[in-house]
Amino acid sequence: GAGVSQTPSNKVTEKGKYVELRCDPISGHTALYWYRQSLGQGPEFLIYFQGTGAADDSGLPNDRFFAVRPEGSVSTLKIQRTERGDSAVYLCASSLTGNQPQHFGDGTRLSIL
Amino acid sequence: GENVEQHPSTLSVQEGDSAVIKCTYSDSASNYFPWYKQELGKRPQLIIDIRSNVGEKKDQRIAVTLNKTAKHFSLHITETQPEDSAVYFCAAISYNTDKLIFGTGTRLQVFP
Repeated sequence: GAGVSQTPSNKVTEKGKYVELRCDPISGHTALYWYRQSLGQGPEFLIYFQGTGAADDSGLPNDRFFAVRPEGSVSTLKIQRTERGDSAVYLCASSLTGNQPQHFGDGTRLSIL
Repeated sequence: GENVEQHPSTLSVQEGDSAVIKCTYSDSASNYFPWYKQELGKRPQLIIDIRSNVGEKKDQRIAVTLNKTAKHFSLHITETQPEDSAVYFCAAISYNTDKLIFGTGTRLQVFP
């Protein structure tokens, strides 16, 4: 398909474990974004990549969260020492360049037990 | 930082009626305002957007208006249908950042 692809769709893990969430943006889109959505709320910004570099990581809640995009396409969001409060839907979006319409993937529903 | 407020939080209308959702933003540097529709368990879907150099934009039954002076923008849905039922989010981006700041969402229910 031509849309933003996220894997896994669901992830259940125990408190304290490490998780990786993957995002495959729309082909040709240079800008990639991660958001987090808790139940009943709007998505909250985490980090924005332009190409391979993180242009804005001001939304990452603490140093347990880290994201990479080594080749300017696929991105991985990494969460260390997971806590129950990290449970949410993690959404990825991409756009052709910055300040352009952002298109979202289906998200990864992360549950920390 | 930017803050986006959205009202109402829930909206119930009869099929065929119009629905209006309103948002205000705080950052006068905001220049792009998209609206997303999100059905339960699904991705946010971009339905319409507007830039700060335009006052109104229409796409079939959906329209968005922007008042830069008052820093508010609205979504208008005419001739509502049951399939319009979803949560709608407004958002804003400032010209010097690229992160979307979302409103708190409006749950729209259209009754047949």
